[in-house]
Amino acid sequence: AQKVTQAQTEISVVEKEDVTLDCVYETRDTTYYLFWYKQPPSGELVFLIRRNSFDEQNEISGRYSWNFQKSTSSFNFTITASQVVDSAVYFCALSDTGGGNKLTFGTGTQLKVEL
Amino acid sequence: DAGVIQSPRHEVTEMGQEVTLRCKPISGHDYLFWYRQTMMRGLELLIYFNNNVPIDDSGMPEDRFSAKMPNASFSTLKIQPSEPRDSAVYFCASSLGQGLGSTEAFFGQGTRLTVV
Repeated sequence: AQKVTQAQTEISVVEKEDVTLDCVYETRDTTYYLFWYKQPPSGELVFLIRRNSFDEQNEISGRYSWNFQKSTSSFNFTITASQVVDSAVYFCALSDTGGGNKLTFGTGTQLKVEL
Repeated sequence: DAGVIQSPRHEVTEMGQEVTLRCKPISGHDYLFWYRQTMMRGLELLIYFNNNVPIDDSGMPEDRFSAKMPNASFSTLKIQPSEPRDSAVYFCASSLGQGLGSTEAFFGQGTRLTVV
């Protein structure tokens, strides 16, 4: 069975601080995908990134970066120079290669960025 | 494309009533998913379809829940009879393909259901 653990329930930072959201996953599949989604206060789920299990390169997109380490089964997400607009719940999710990316979600991390 | 469209956005109903949630996936997508989000259980997959055929409904909580996909552009999730514990946000999502050639799942805005 697949499992995603986001141990940080809530994180509060001051604007411009860097913050890292942790994600640890469990799967018996050798091929799988990892995702991050953002859920702002308005409630929709916004896709941020997808990585497949064969690609361990770290990725940077603007202020966002992701660190994928198969050795520790982790896929952590860092926001550099956080802004108030980053305040949201962030979900890490896991999918096998079948099923059109049906997702097993973590419990989410509530990020609050304050002035 | 307008994205995944769900209706209604909000639904308040009385216990025992039938509730129907609707979803229009992104045109061309061959997978459709229904998820439920609650404080207690987080985001959980209820059922998903591939080319209009239900593939896995193991997440459907009980027989009061049913889902259909009569064609590639429409799906419904029905609860009959509804109970207060069904109160949640229900998300529909769609994606294209599987494996390396697949897209990520795109989510609708959700339907917030309140059963009183």
